Amino acid sequence: TQLLEQSPQFLSIQEGENLTVYCNSSSVFSSLQWYRQEPGEGPVLLVTVVTGGEVKKLKRLTFQFGDARKDSSLHITAAQTGDTGLYLCAGARSGGSNYKLTFGKGTLLTVNP
Amino acid sequence: NAGVTQTPKFQVLKTGQSMTLQCAQDMNHEYMSWYRQDPGMGLRLIHYSVGAGITDQGEVPNGYNVSRSTTEDFPLRLLSAAPSQTSVYFCASSYSGGGATRSQFFGPGTRLTVL
Repeated sequence: TQLLEQSPQFLSIQEGENLTVYCNSSSVFSSLQWYRQEPGEGPVLLVTVVTGGEVKKLKRLTFQFGDARKDSSLHITAAQTGDTGLYLCAGARSGGSNYKLTFGKGTLLTVNP
Repeated sequence: NAGVTQTPKFQVLKTGQSMTLQCAQDMNHEYMSWYRQDPGMGLRLIHYSVGAGITDQGEVPNGYNVSRSTTEDFPLRLLSAAPSQTSVYFCASSYSGGGATRSQFFGPGTRLTVL
């Protein structure tokens, strides 16, 4: 059972367009993290959202955590070719004395010049 | 700081061979983990460690062993490689504090092919 569903799985857009990717679950998470992974590299953390309804902005990227802490979205304004990559969401849930991350399958974004 | 380093970058094995994937971090992080990434499957946790001498299983531990003798190193051992273990393996580390907001730092990955 995939706890975190990401959509769309693939997205190809032109430079300058806006886009939104989604991360949905039926489970409640203590926090939700977004990572970006470029080809041949490991994932790099972009942001962590913790509070239901929280909105965080990172330049042209806007991240939102759902009110019920079950879902999240990533909106990119005026996409650039440098935004190309695999975007992964990861939910943290308490596992005894530790929090374990569950990753979604990712959204592969291609921004064409 | 070098961050999280992994060796080798690429490896080809024959079925039944054993090998060790190396992972080291120089950030004095207590928490280290191993993931595998397969097409269409996302990242899945294999094993993790909350400190030297302490390890535990993740979601897909079968066929893999780990040990943590020092804070810096967390090697992953494949006991008898199988084609199903063909994957990209990532090591990650973080401070144990911060709870649900803990930030993980990933290495560049090891691309393993088992023939």
